[in-house]
Amino acid sequence: NAGVTQTPKFQVLKTGQSMTLQCAQDMNHEYMSWYRQDPGMGLRLIHYSVGAGITDQGEVPNGYNVSRSTTEDFPLRLLSAAPSQTSVYFCASSFSNFRTTGNTIYFGEGSWLTVV
Amino acid sequence: GENVEQHPSTLSVQEGDSAVIKCTYSDSASNYFPWYKQELGKRPQLIIDIRSNVGEKKDQRIAVTLNKTAKHFSLHITETQPEDSAVYFCAAGSSGTYKYIFGTGTRLKVLA
Repeated sequence: NAGVTQTPKFQVLKTGQSMTLQCAQDMNHEYMSWYRQDPGMGLRLIHYSVGAGITDQGEVPNGYNVSRSTTEDFPLRLLSAAPSQTSVYFCASSFSNFRTTGNTIYFGEGSWLTVV
Repeated sequence: GENVEQHPSTLSVQEGDSAVIKCTYSDSASNYFPWYKQELGKRPQLIIDIRSNVGEKKDQRIAVTLNKTAKHFSLHITETQPEDSAVYFCAAGSSGTYKYIFGTGTRLKVLA
């Protein structure tokens, strides 16, 4: 298993550009999410999904869109990039059944995004 | 909304001493509390977790305690070693919503 795969690893964008961060997992996890990590702010939840066709907002959803058309993929779209979106982005996945399968959250390797 | 507070933000200990990191959560529906370790430039990785029906869990030098009444949980690392130096994150999750909210992190430095 490759686990959680994120691309690209590094990206520089100009203000106003749009882009998509790709995330795929091959562990058949129902739950997938996107976090951003900024110094002193920890990991803040952007959007999450509990299954194909179901998404919901996290703590900091503004400026980002997501969709979940398949169990494996959960892309994050930046609609019009702003310097405030400069951050490290982590995609994560886990099983959603607390009772039987455990809930370890597996993170991707991260995507370093700079908006100039 | 849901919130997880984590303290301290930085912690320096001498090698061999113990380290304690504390977190407080606000959502009373939270029933799963994992701890993650993140080394510089790498992804967070799970080191230990605890569910709401357990008050304490131990794994070698690492232990976690949970006080549901007070809504706080703590990570205890004994006999610290230089390789324990990293950023540690606590999180709170709910089987009802499957949302995981993380604390702001603690940078632990173990001084040799």
